[in-house]
Amino acid sequence: GAGVSQSPSNKVTEKGKDVELRCDPISGHTALYWYRQSLGQGLEFLIYFQGNSAPDKSGLPSDRFSAERTGGSVSTLTIQRTQQEDSAVYLCASSPWPQETQYFGPGTRLLVL
Amino acid sequence: SQELEQSPQSLIVQEGKNLTINCTSSKTLYGLYWYKQKYGEGLIFLMMLQKGGEEKSHEKITAKLDEKKQQSSLHITASQPSHAGIYLCGADMDSNYQLIWGAGTKLIIKP
Repeated sequence: GAGVSQSPSNKVTEKGKDVELRCDPISGHTALYWYRQSLGQGLEFLIYFQGNSAPDKSGLPSDRFSAERTGGSVSTLTIQRTQQEDSAVYLCASSPWPQETQYFGPGTRLLVL
Repeated sequence: SQELEQSPQSLIVQEGKNLTINCTSSKTLYGLYWYKQKYGEGLIFLMMLQKGGEEKSHEKITAKLDEKKQQSSLHITASQPSHAGIYLCGADMDSNYQLIWGAGTKLIIKP
């Protein structure tokens, strides 16, 4: 079946602009994760959604970052007033239930000029 | 210090040779995941280990979790160009949904 998809695959924006990144998880997966990967670094946890529960936003680096998940499926990560240090690959993953294997999308490469 | 350390950071191996990548934790692991990442792609799930002493194999890749459940190794036998990429380990240390990630090992296969 279809895997996790993310769009856009690449995004170039100017400093100060807002961006929206989209994630379509695997159908039926209740858990959804957003991560950030900077060049040569491991994965930095951003936010976690599980079903209809309140999301775990503990990894969001600043109040410029927000995310929502509509209808328990598609998720959007929004970065307001982008800064150059926001440049990274943003990865989305989903799993059938918490603590089960996470399946990753191809990521969105964000470059802030 | 890092909770989860991967070694080496990078590895250049002649095609056909064997290699080992390690992932060491400061805490007991409830689960350990191995993923592979190619440039421009997301992470591809390889294997998941939970029990002390567990060993799993897929094609030419074998992953083990030690008895104390604090270290895992990923061993590739007779390496091929298709094995090139970045290998990441992710650990469940607190029996919850958040994984702690290693910094990755970049593997280059020389023809």
